[in-house]
Amino acid sequence: DVKVTQSSRYLVKRTGEKVFLECVQDMDHENMFWYRQDPGLGLRLIYFSYDVKMKEKGDIPEGYSVSREKKERFSLILESASTNQTSMYLCASSPPDPNTEAFFGQGTRLTVV
Amino acid sequence: AQSVAQPEDQVNVAEGNPLTVKCTYSVSGNPYLFWYVQYPNRGLQFLLKYITGDNLVKGSYGFEAEFNKSQTSFHLKKPSALVSDSALYFCAVRDYGGSQGNLIFGKGTKLSVKP
Repeated sequence: DVKVTQSSRYLVKRTGEKVFLECVQDMDHENMFWYRQDPGLGLRLIYFSYDVKMKEKGDIPEGYSVSREKKERFSLILESASTNQTSMYLCASSPPDPNTEAFFGQGTRLTVV
Repeated sequence: AQSVAQPEDQVNVAEGNPLTVKCTYSVSGNPYLFWYVQYPNRGLQFLLKYITGDNLVKGSYGFEAEFNKSQTSFHLKKPSALVSDSALYFCAVRDYGGSQGNLIFGKGTKLSVKP
């Protein structure tokens, strides 16, 4: 059974902290994605990666960075957490073929206080 | 640029009645379309995808989707709704232009099925 695993389901962090969200996939997929989900806004792409050490900015990269040192792991970093980064964060992976579906992790609900 | 629109924020149906969740798309080239479902505080689960040539696509949990090229629509349907179908549904299209296959999502439609 294919799996995308996010390291935490729920996180509470303080303003100004550096926050790491980890995502691991076991399907040997080239593409990995980080989305942010907010009510009424759907899912918005923060960053994606199509290969190890490769990354591209999505629609809302400000305040975030990413790291992909190994194919199976894609980390999202909040350099200095702010309250407006309180949200649900979703990681996904997929093969490069556009006709294949992406697989999602269970999500991390982050609260910044 | 690719985009999808879900015109309804919420759809209410009675259990046993047919349901439709609407999605329209805008793409340059071949459309790669998907439907996902999300239960509360969970990730997204894949339901079905459009495969070129099949205007009626069957997916998981009894759902199907009707692709209409002239109306640029990909509506999700189910002949008989269940209370357990209540969830948030997202339509998505692959952006295979400059974004290496990123999925672009609609804003989501909340489906509420009442007993």
